[in-house]
Amino acid sequence: AQSVTQLGSHVSVSEGALVLLRCNYSSSVPPYLFWYVQYPNQGLQLLLKYTTGATLVKGINGFEAEFKKSETSFHLTKPSAHMSDAAEYFCAVKGGSGGGADGLTFGKGTHLIIQP
Amino acid sequence: ETGVTQSPTHLIKTRGQQVTLRCSSQSGHNTVSWYQQALGQGPQFIFQYYREEENGRGNFPPRFSGLQFPNYSSELNVNALELDDSALYLCASSLAPSGGAETQYFGPGTRLLVL
Repeated sequence: AQSVTQLGSHVSVSEGALVLLRCNYSSSVPPYLFWYVQYPNQGLQLLLKYTTGATLVKGINGFEAEFKKSETSFHLTKPSAHMSDAAEYFCAVKGGSGGGADGLTFGKGTHLIIQP
Repeated sequence: ETGVTQSPTHLIKTRGQQVTLRCSSQSGHNTVSWYQQALGQGPQFIFQYYREEENGRGNFPPRFSGLQFPNYSSELNVNALELDDSALYLCASSLAPSGGAETQYFGPGTRLLVL
């Protein structure tokens, strides 16, 4: 079964600093990987996803993530944090065996705090 | 283009009661997935509906059931509510299952409190 581990339930960075949110997955087959963001009292918004091909994926709002198969990681980064980036971030995996019958398996989330 | 909508936004029930939550999928999407998000946790997959049939299910008991209608809207029904059912229930719509890479678009959720 697929699983996701997000290291750090809370991450605090200064405005303008690098954002790094960590995600490791377990999967017996090449995975499909996603990062979602959740603002208070809202649903989840897709930031980016990895399917196949280029391992560096660019998303919305200046975020990007790199798929590293050897490290089973899919860490999310942003070069310069903005106050508006403060939110909950979720990494998710879906099985690579096809069929599409399974849902997303989410990590527990990382709360990103931006210090002025 | 209309996004995913859910109703009601908030709901309070007592233990043992039954509840129905509703979801309208994004225009053009024919697949709906439901998730339960407990406070401070990531969402957990309940089930998915495609072409009005259940297309996959997570680790939830049978008292969690669903429906999908010809217009692709969906309902989540929970019977015999328990205190632990208190959570944010999220609906997500997507295009037809294509091998796992389809993007799921989430609604704002229904917050259920069971007393």
